[in-house]
Amino acid sequence: RKEVEQDPGPFNVPEGATVAFNCTYSNSASQSFFWYRQDCRKEPKLLMSVYSSGNEDGRFTAQLNRASQYISLLIRDSKLSDSATYLCVVNTDPMNRDDKIIFGKGTRLHILP
Amino acid sequence: DAGITQSPRHKVTETGTPVTLRCHQTENHRYMYWYRQDPGHGLRLIHYSYGVKDTDKGEVSDGYSVSRSKTEDFLLTLESATSSQTSVYFCAIMARLAGSYEQYFGPGTRLTVT
Repeated sequence: RKEVEQDPGPFNVPEGATVAFNCTYSNSASQSFFWYRQDCRKEPKLLMSVYSSGNEDGRFTAQLNRASQYISLLIRDSKLSDSATYLCVVNTDPMNRDDKIIFGKGTRLHILP
Repeated sequence: DAGITQSPRHKVTETGTPVTLRCHQTENHRYMYWYRQDPGHGLRLIHYSYGVKDTDKGEVSDGYSVSRSKTEDFLLTLESATSSQTSVYFCAIMARLAGSYEQYFGPGTRLTVT
């Protein structure tokens, strides 16, 4: 099983629709989880951290399922500007020398007008 | 904005030449990282630093070296550039915010080795 796995997509979604993607991780000791957004030819930008209780930021909701070892990102009322690649990131032990920061390869999202 | 800049932003160089990329941060973060990003591979860690003169290898460190003589600067050197090192290089810092640790990236350097 890959350390962090994402469906590469692309997800082609009409504007205004709701879209969700998952990311699975293999290391049960993972402690921190994040979603990043990356636009074409730009750097990854932190979208949101993922907390055990789940968290919401406007149209975006992130959830963590430790038992099944996956995190999810839900985007409601999608906008054209949401078109990007979404990267899942997992840390084993933040700020420790033994920390492993694992990036998924990303899920491409295209919002269609 | 985490105050991270990278230079140069674009570079074309010939095989066999040495190349140094610079990452500069203005917010005194202790942890810094160099990644490369290639199609089909995602982000891969080259080297990282836990502080001045404290660096370690990542998963794809062969052919690269780093130096950190000041907190604000983390340099990546390609000793003798090869075509396989054509890539986009991102620098990152780790910041502690509201009890969590989060990575922030610089704008990237697009390197072409001919």
